[in-house]
Amino acid sequence: AQTVTQSQPEMSVQEAETVTLSCTYDTSESDYYLFWYKQPPSRQMILVIRQEAYKQQNATENRFSVNFQKAAKSFSLKISDSQLGDAAMYFCAYRRFAGGTSYGKLTFGQGTILTVHP
Amino acid sequence: EAQVTQNPRYLITVTGKKLTVTCSQNMNHEYMSWYRQDPGLGLRQIYYSMNVEVTDKGDVPEGYKVSRKEKRNFPLILESPSPNQTSLYFCASTETGLALKTQYFGPGTRLLVL
Repeated sequence: AQTVTQSQPEMSVQEAETVTLSCTYDTSESDYYLFWYKQPPSRQMILVIRQEAYKQQNATENRFSVNFQKAAKSFSLKISDSQLGDAAMYFCAYRRFAGGTSYGKLTFGQGTILTVHP
Repeated sequence: EAQVTQNPRYLITVTGKKLTVTCSQNMNHEYMSWYRQDPGLGLRQIYYSMNVEVTDKGDVPEGYKVSRKEKRNFPLILESPSPNQTSLYFCASTETGLALKTQYFGPGTRLLVL
């Protein structure tokens, strides 16, 4: 079974600075997807960024980028120029590539609470 | 607007009183699932459905039931709620197929069982 671990329960950053959230995962599969979700105080789940394991290039979405290290099974999220609106719980998640009945299932990490100081 | 809706959004109940949390999506998605979110544990899948009349257990199915009689609806049933089912519940849906499809989440239902 796949597992996802976020070892940082809480992180903080100053506004306009850069912060990196860590995520490691365990899988025996070679193809899969990885995601970062943001959960603001409203509790809504918002997709931040996604990475296909077969792509070597790290995904980037504006101020958000990932460092995907497939051999190390590491998937960190870097937030540049942090803004007050970035304050939220962040979840790392894994999804199987395709096939089988569990392909649509997301396996989540424990979450990291990010605080942004003005 | 593509969306997943859940009702109710907040619910306080007592142990043993049957309840149903509804979930509906307007995107004609085949795959729907329920997750519960607990502090320090992230989100865990309770049940999922690949299509109408096709449901199966996720990682934490004990104490829950589901049904999928229509493609758009996937209710979560707690026949005899217990305090350990106090949690934040999310319904999600997505298309099936080999290509990666966006997974849509509902707004969440916060349940307190006394």
